[in-house]
Amino acid sequence: DTGVSQDPRHKITKRGQNVTFRCDPISEHNRLYWYRQTLGQGPEFLTYFQNEAQLEKSRLLSDRFSAERPKGSFSTLEIQRTEQGDSAMYLCASSLAGIHQPQHFGDGTRLSIL
Amino acid sequence: AQTVTQSQPEMSVQEAETVTLSCTYDTSESDYYLFWYKQPPSRQMILVIRQEAYKQQNATENRFSVNFQKAAKSFSLKISDSQLGDAAMYFCAYRGAQKLVFGQGTRLTINP
Repeated sequence: DTGVSQDPRHKITKRGQNVTFRCDPISEHNRLYWYRQTLGQGPEFLTYFQNEAQLEKSRLLSDRFSAERPKGSFSTLEIQRTEQGDSAMYLCASSLAGIHQPQHFGDGTRLSIL
Repeated sequence: AQTVTQSQPEMSVQEAETVTLSCTYDTSESDYYLFWYKQPPSRQMILVIRQEAYKQQNATENRFSVNFQKAAKSFSLKISDSQLGDAAMYFCAYRGAQKLVFGQGTRLTINP
């Protein structure tokens, strides 16, 4: 068990560019979550998958954001036409099903928009 | 909607002393879990302790324990014998149906 891994760790891009992040969950976990964390704040829920199905999306997830988990394993989060306000840490977490199951977090991808 | 409030943006404690971090939440759900996560600087979020709403007994994990007051919707974290490695942001989190809802966090500093 190598834990949840996220790639890249840091991404710096110019406003208006598209970016894609990847998350590899713990292998036996069927649930995968994306959160956004701005400086000095707690993480905010963006979306989650159970296997390959995207079951919930936050209203924070504008049309410029899209997430996929095509084979129920790794997931990608894409942001199109990035804006200054997109600068944040993007956290991925995974868990087994059940509300008692803790979510295990990756190190996150820090996005900086120039 | 569920909300989680941590009213202490920063706390500090002397090494080896005890500190309590506060957390209150609001929900209309009856079945839920509460968690405390620790986030060291530039490092990943780590689960510290969890509490099921139906259990009256307060959870304990080594030096970490909680005071869960369900009627008051309060869930505080007590850290005993504080160590330098306990320095981090601590987040209280609520989990009902699916997602985690986090508080704003408390930055804990340990003074040697």
